[in-house]
Amino acid sequence: GAVVSQHPSRVICKSGTSVKIECRSLDFQATTMFWYRQFPKQSLMLMATSNEGSKATYEQGVEKDKFLINHASLTLSTLTVTSAHPEDSSFYICSASGVVRGNTEAFFGQGTRLTVV
Amino acid sequence: AQSVTQLGSHVSVSEGALVLLRCNYSSSVPPYLFWYVQYPNQGLQLLLKYTSAATLVKGINGFEAEFKKSETSFHLTKPSAHMSDAAEYFCAVSANPGGYQKVTFGTGTKLQVIP
Repeated sequence: GAVVSQHPSRVICKSGTSVKIECRSLDFQATTMFWYRQFPKQSLMLMATSNEGSKATYEQGVEKDKFLINHASLTLSTLTVTSAHPEDSSFYICSASGVVRGNTEAFFGQGTRLTVV
Repeated sequence: AQSVTQLGSHVSVSEGALVLLRCNYSSSVPPYLFWYVQYPNQGLQLLLKYTSAATLVKGINGFEAEFKKSETSFHLTKPSAHMSDAAEYFCAVSANPGGYQKVTFGTGTKLQVIP
């Protein structure tokens, strides 16, 4: 299947600082990317959907000024957690969608474990 | 609107025994259903998906699932559990076959395989 690379896999940051997470589609063009958040022992919750070159669409309850999403190219989307606080500690997963072998499908990155201390 | 319910947050089976992970769905449109596996601190890997071509779907690692419209179910099975199957499994539903729009996930079932 297609490869989606997410970086970093783990990050620890101090409260009040910002953290950037990258999501790259390595062998296909991702017209749409999705960002999910997973709390311990819970399922994935969609945070936002971004289309290349457009502003992201945020799910209800997700602060767009806190979770900045940029999808500037067909292979890269970034999620920046601004002024991070301990309650932002979570597992963040991206999903990239594009045409692979003639079909439009979505593939997940490996996830980023964010710990805010 | 769409939703999935996974019965049992934890399932334990002995190595070599049948694996059965339950998933029921609700959808206002014909559903496309997925099973994903997640290993600790990793992303999701697609096991299999139902896209209306066949009700019995075979996936990777010996897993399969059967779509039963009358029961609104999409249970995941494997005839013989292996230690490497220990992971968390998520059932998901989408309005499109590629899962490239909004996907709704279940709460997950953690599978433990006992030697």
